[in-house]
Amino acid sequence: DAGITQSPRHKVTETGTPVTLRCHQTENHRYMYWYRQDPGHGLRLIHYSYGVKDTDKGEVSDGYSVSRSKTEDFLLTLESATSSQTSVYFCAITRDTHTEAFFGQGTRLTVV
Amino acid sequence: KNEVEQSPQNLTAQEGEFITINCSYSVGISALHWLQQHPGGGIVSLFMLSSGKKKHGRLIATINIQEKHSSLHITASHPRDSAVYICAVRSNFGNEKLTFGTGTRLTIIP
Repeated sequence: DAGITQSPRHKVTETGTPVTLRCHQTENHRYMYWYRQDPGHGLRLIHYSYGVKDTDKGEVSDGYSVSRSKTEDFLLTLESATSSQTSVYFCAITRDTHTEAFFGQGTRLTVV
Repeated sequence: KNEVEQSPQNLTAQEGEFITINCSYSVGISALHWLQQHPGGGIVSLFMLSSGKKKHGRLIATINIQEKHSSLHITASHPRDSAVYICAVRSNFGNEKLTFGTGTRLTIIP
């Protein structure tokens, strides 16, 4: 299995609080991605990174920010969580844009 | 219209049956991925292909680039194959991001 770990695996938080999800990889892959998975939708890209300190927005980036200060860590922050951000969040990594993607186990976030 | 359409959305079959899941897409692609997600679990990559056919154990994936269509087949299906199967395509222009289908939920009954 690819070395990719998400933390926490489950979190319940209150509306308006900040939340940070962590994705850690041991594969030294260049690309890292954050997706959210919701019923009736395919996985949707929130943000991605193509290198240390190099990030870009995905299709559903509003309300989210990311940071990548080290190759191995990609952080997703909800500055002020809303109920619409209740979802399952997946991190993924790829060596480059034409190789297989490896996914983390997911983080189930509930905003109450 | 979604860029990636999967059919059927749900499929229930008896153990041992031959299973086919379909994926159609509307954009030019550089690769297509088939992924598996067990209930409450993470997502596992099954295949990445850009032409022809790939086989791994009882799983076979095919792609027809001209028709913009791919199929995932499972031979001699088993209850442990019960999962959601997801098709994703990588666009061949722009930022080459992955676009995902909504998945096919497969249930194999013993």
